[in-house]
Amino acid sequence: EAGVAQSPRYKIIEKRQSVAFWCNPISGHATLYWYQQILGQGPKLLIQFQNNGVVDDSQLPKDRFSAERLKGVDSTLKIQPAKLEDSAVYLCASSSGEGAEAFFGQGTRLTVV
Amino acid sequence: GQNIDQPTEMTATEGAIVQINCTYQTSGFNGLFWYQQHAGEAPTFLSYNVLDGLEEKGRFSSFLSRSKGYSYLLLKELQMKDSASYLCAVRGPGGSQGNLIFGKGTKLSVKP
Repeated sequence: EAGVAQSPRYKIIEKRQSVAFWCNPISGHATLYWYQQILGQGPKLLIQFQNNGVVDDSQLPKDRFSAERLKGVDSTLKIQPAKLEDSAVYLCASSSGEGAEAFFGQGTRLTVV
Repeated sequence: GQNIDQPTEMTATEGAIVQINCTYQTSGFNGLFWYQQHAGEAPTFLSYNVLDGLEEKGRFSSFLSRSKGYSYLLLKELQMKDSASYLCAVRGPGGSQGNLIFGKGTKLSVKP
């Protein structure tokens, strides 16, 4: 079974530029999560999708962050414009909704300079 | 709201036993998870508790007390490769679709 795929693995941008991350969850997983993990901290939930609907986006900075999952499969997370404090690893995870655990992708390490 | 607390760092000796505690206050509860995360890698699932009691899986065990809002992860026969961060996470209200909120993680260093 293929795991959660994310791209790119690394990205360096200047502040005020825009960036997009892509995630392909495990086939058949209805629930998809985006997390932000700053160095030395636990993952912080940004947004959770159930199929193509948003379940929780209470911690998503909506003035600069957006996410979509149009067909209930792949998802993209965008930041525009980026700030220095957005430097972090962005993790995508998926779960079947019936099983217990969420499976994580390798993440995208973003550096904003 | 949800609040999850765990120690920031712990150190233990190879071959020993270590217990990592986690306390939580949540508006709803649908299970508690422990994940392991090596530096620079993604979190990987270790254990899941939804009912009170102890779940054992090889060298790893996890305990839950819902009335106390408390869990621990027990690692036995520590190995050097167990040096990693251990993340406690709680699934909030909404059943199996509830959000999954993580603590800040406990960095475990295993010494020879």
